[in-house]
Amino acid sequence: AQKITQTQPGMFVQEKEAVTLDCTYDTSDPSYGLFWYKQPSSGEMIFLIYQGSYDQQNATEGRYSLNFQKARKSANLVISASQLGDSAMYFCAMRDSLTGTASKLTFGTGTRLQVTL
Amino acid sequence: DTAVSQTPKYLVTQMGNDKSIKCEQNLGHDTMYWYKQDSKKFLKIMFSYNNKELIINETVPNRFSPKSPDKAHLNLHINSLELGDSAVYFCASSQDIHRSYEQYFGPGTRLTVT
Repeated sequence: AQKITQTQPGMFVQEKEAVTLDCTYDTSDPSYGLFWYKQPSSGEMIFLIYQGSYDQQNATEGRYSLNFQKARKSANLVISASQLGDSAMYFCAMRDSLTGTASKLTFGTGTRLQVTL
Repeated sequence: DTAVSQTPKYLVTQMGNDKSIKCEQNLGHDTMYWYKQDSKKFLKIMFSYNNKELIINETVPNRFSPKSPDKAHLNLHINSLELGDSAVYFCASSQDIHRSYEQYFGPGTRLTVT
């Protein structure tokens, strides 16, 4: 069963607007971590933001914030004041301990974000 | 200053050949990984090493053999390359196995098998 679900294959947003990229996850492990990565057309994977399952507050990093709703098992990425350089693929990923190690990242299928003028 | 580096960046080879991809991290991390990204952009873990010890091997064909000579290096050797091996291979590292808040990725190696 897929553990990370990103239902939006593609999204468009106008420059300077905010956009929310959806991510839902499935795990029975009470201790897990959720990550968002950005992959621009150049191909590298850039870490954006992390949310731990026990964190009381939603994570924020500059223009990125994570809307963490634990009961709904969702970890949506919010990008405020979009810029043209935000155009990229965005991946949601999860780390849990069910495999016996907490180091494995499981990725969603990604959302391609296009920022328009 | 590159944190995680991979060589080569591009690799074009014929079916049946053997090739290697090298990875080095200068972050002092204990844990390193290999991921495969297919043509649909799906990323999947292949291997993970912690302090030179293999800890994850995700049902990868045994034509793929990782080697970690020290904790700063994790190389990937592929024997008898097949068309389906064409993908982008990412190396990554994290501080340790238990509290790996983030994994730092290398730039990727685009492997094309013809």
